[in-house]
Amino acid sequence: DGGITQSPKYLFRKEGQNVTLSCEQNLNHDAMYWYRQDPGQGLRLIYYSQIVNDFQKGDIAEGYSVSREKKESFPLTVTSAQKNPTAFYLCASSMRDRDTQYFGPGTRLTVL
Amino acid sequence: GEDVEQSLFLSVREGDSSVINCTYTDSSSTYLYWYKQEPGAGLQLLTYIFSNMDMKQDQRLTVLLNKKDKHLSLRIADTQTGDSAIYFCADNYGQNFVFGPGTRLSVLP
Repeated sequence: DGGITQSPKYLFRKEGQNVTLSCEQNLNHDAMYWYRQDPGQGLRLIYYSQIVNDFQKGDIAEGYSVSREKKESFPLTVTSAQKNPTAFYLCASSMRDRDTQYFGPGTRLTVL
Repeated sequence: GEDVEQSLFLSVREGDSSVINCTYTDSSSTYLYWYKQEPGAGLQLLTYIFSNMDMKQDQRLTVLLNKKDKHLSLRIADTQTGDSAIYFCADNYGQNFVFGPGTRLSVLP
């Protein structure tokens, strides 16, 4: 089955630690995205990548980093510099930028 | 930049129709989308409409687009308890999508 997977579903980390969230897709999509969702709020774009080995900052990139070494994978690292990292993180992909976006199931990150 | 607005809450009785509204500011969008999010899950694409269309129907879902007023609506006929979720309107503005804040639909028995 084609789709987008995110792991883990739940993640706990201590303050001051970096943590990496996984996102994999087998849809052969060129573009991938990371969003943050806070309770009662919409989605805010963190980073996006239109093609392998290239990515751009979104609206709230501070305290986050990404890589895009393979077409299928777009991991997100939440660094200790992110002041309020507790949130629900959603990964999405699209055939090309501006095309319809399809979402993974999300990772809920809680900082203890 | 682009702004997408939605009312935050809607309650309907099971079996009634639900109408979720969305307004946007950019007139150059190519497509407008509706996504559904169930608790603890990702966003599921429900439907989308091309900007040169006025209406699109897909089973219980009807999308209406008024380009003059920059108003998009999603009508769900015969609303069921399984339709309880958050519904997001989205606009492919510029290089990326802009999402509304989401409308939480509660279906009462």
